[in-house]
Amino acid sequence: SAVISQKPSRDICQRGTSLTIQCQVDSQVTMMFWYRQQPGQSLTLIATANQGSEATYESGFVIDKFPISRPNLTFSTLTVSNMSPEDSSIYLCSVAKGGETQYFGPGTRLLVL
Amino acid sequence: AQSVAQPEDQVNVAEGNPLTVKCTYSVSGNPYLFWYVQYPNRGLQFLLKYITGDNLVKGSYGFEAEFNKSQTSFHLKKPSALVSDSALYFCAVRDEVIYNQGGKLIFGQGTELSVKP
Repeated sequence: SAVISQKPSRDICQRGTSLTIQCQVDSQVTMMFWYRQQPGQSLTLIATANQGSEATYESGFVIDKFPISRPNLTFSTLTVSNMSPEDSSIYLCSVAKGGETQYFGPGTRLLVL
Repeated sequence: AQSVAQPEDQVNVAEGNPLTVKCTYSVSGNPYLFWYVQYPNRGLQFLLKYITGDNLVKGSYGFEAEFNKSQTSFHLKKPSALVSDSALYFCAVRDEVIYNQGGKLIFGQGTELSVKP
């Protein structure tokens, strides 16, 4: 498995502002993923964060709205830009350590007013 | 396209009774199937997976799941439910592999399990 931490754990933000979420893993991993869980909904993949290259975004998600950084094999950030109340969600990062299983961080609970 | 369905939004079980949380899937090739649990205000915790081999898979906290290829199902089971099992359960299937590792997970809508004393 993997020990994954996320910062912040929760935040309340004003519309129009941006928030950067950090994801830290206790060991090097090749694949890191960012998911969104809207209130009462399931998880949807936003993008795959690749070390040394651009993130790969899923349909419906764009880099201008959700820029991602992956500076090394243990760290990634997701920024939620120009936020609106519709961005209120739980944002989770996950990692795959060379096997089939993805392990998830505790999530960042975001409320946009 | 690959998809996962969890037909029950909520399952209610009395403590000590067996529990089943249902999951069916649709994939074009061989399925990689997973169960995760989400406790209130927590992230997702991995319970178990089926990749290949024995159709009955055992996982954490006494949970198990049975892979049924003909019925395209992967139901989660536990012989004796505990109140502490109350949580949100997600079934997931893996999409095509990216760089031979990891890969996109497709999640079901989730099933809220409530175990009463």
